[in-house]
Formats: sequence, structure tokens, C-alpha cells
Amino acid sequence: NAGVTQTPKFQVLKTGQSMTLQCAQDMNHNSMYWYRQDPGMGLRLIYYSASEGTTDKGEVPNGYNVSRLNKREFSLRLESAAPSQTSVYFCASSEKSMGASEAFFGQGTRLTVV
Amino acid sequence: GEDVEQSLFLSVREGDSSVINCTYTDSSSTYLYWYKQEPGAGLQLLTYIFSNMDMKQDQRLTVLLNKKDKHLSLRIADTQTGDSAIYFCAESKGTGANNLFFGTGTRLTVIP
Repeated sequence: NAGVTQTPKFQVLKTGQSMTLQCAQDMNHNSMYWYRQDPGMGLRLIYYSASEGTTDKGEVPNGYNVSRLNKREFSLRLESAAPSQTSVYFCASSEKSMGASEAFFGQGTRLTVV
Repeated sequence: GEDVEQSLFLSVREGDSSVINCTYTDSSSTYLYWYKQEPGAGLQLLTYIFSNMDMKQDQRLTVLLNKKDKHLSLRIADTQTGDSAIYFCAESKGTGANNLFFGTGTRLTVIP
């Protein structure tokens, strides 16, 4: 019963490097989300995918891109990492839209950009 | 706006009650949630309340909603060390995909 699985769990990048954070859910959920969590700021939505084939910007999309590869997988890409992107990243999924049904979160990816 | 505010820290002794408070600004919120984040883990839904309710009780958890003051609280009775975590309040305005807004989180520390 995996739920939402994120990889990797930890990553250190140099400024300017690129990387992709992977997320997969096995609950047949329609909606998937990427959040970042910074101290004292709660969770902020980066991008979301309301259904397979659609993606939309959230509150803080600059510097990121996403791909909804299929119903199960939703990846987040940093093309040119910056120190300001040091954060903990969470992927989440929900059967219906966020707020209308329970959201399930992955364990997070702790990213440090030096 | 969708600002959701919480105190950052709360410490209580084991066995006491904990009360975590949250204020929100959007009177059109339809659902209000409490999520729990244990160390090194993602968020987990604890409980939620519809905006037309005043109170909801679920075992040791009591949620109180004062819609007039836009104030939400989570009371944990007989707090245990396993309750130490960060608690997030979140408000939702309905069924749109981008409609859940989280507070800053309150770090609850339970002292044995």
C-alpha cells in the first residue's frame, strides 16, 4: 500500500544544475500537486494537474516545469537550480480537486542548492 | 485573500490538553482542515469541518469553528508524546483544483 512515492528523498545540487523530482501514486487519483515547504511559510503550491493531460500554475511556478506523464506520475523539473529553490518539496494527490477530498502526501524531497 | 495564520510553536506537558489556533480571512471558505506532519514525513489529514458546523469531535480531537471571527481551533485531549508534530490548518473554497491554502503550521512539542 504505497500511496504517494517521491524520489529522491534528498538531493544536493550546484547552482545552475538541473534535475527532475519524480512522483507516483497508486490510488488512481485524478489530481496531483507539487508543493514546496519553507520554514515559517507553510506549503505553497508550485504546479498542479487537475486531471491527466492538464497542468496549471500554482502560487510559485517560476523556475519550475512539470509533466503529467500518465495518470500515475507527475514530475517536477528544475532547469537551472538556484539557492532560492532550497526547500522541501512535497507531491500530493487527491481523488477529486484539492479541498474537496482528502489529499495524500508523499514523504518529501529535501533539496539543497549550493 | 487566502491568508491563514497560526502560531509557530506550542509546548504542553504530557497528559494536558493542547489547543492549536488558526485564523483565516476568506469568509467564503467551505471546508477547513487540520493536517499533521510528523518528523521526516508528509502531511496526513487529521480531521476537517464543514463551514456550516460549529464543532466536530473525533476521539481525542475537538475542532471548534467560529465563523463570525474566522477562527478555527484544534483541541487535543490527554496529549501524548506521539502527538508531537507540526499541525497545519488549511482552508478550501470549494471544488476548484487550486483552492486549498495552508497556514504556516504550529510545531507542537509534548514534554514528558
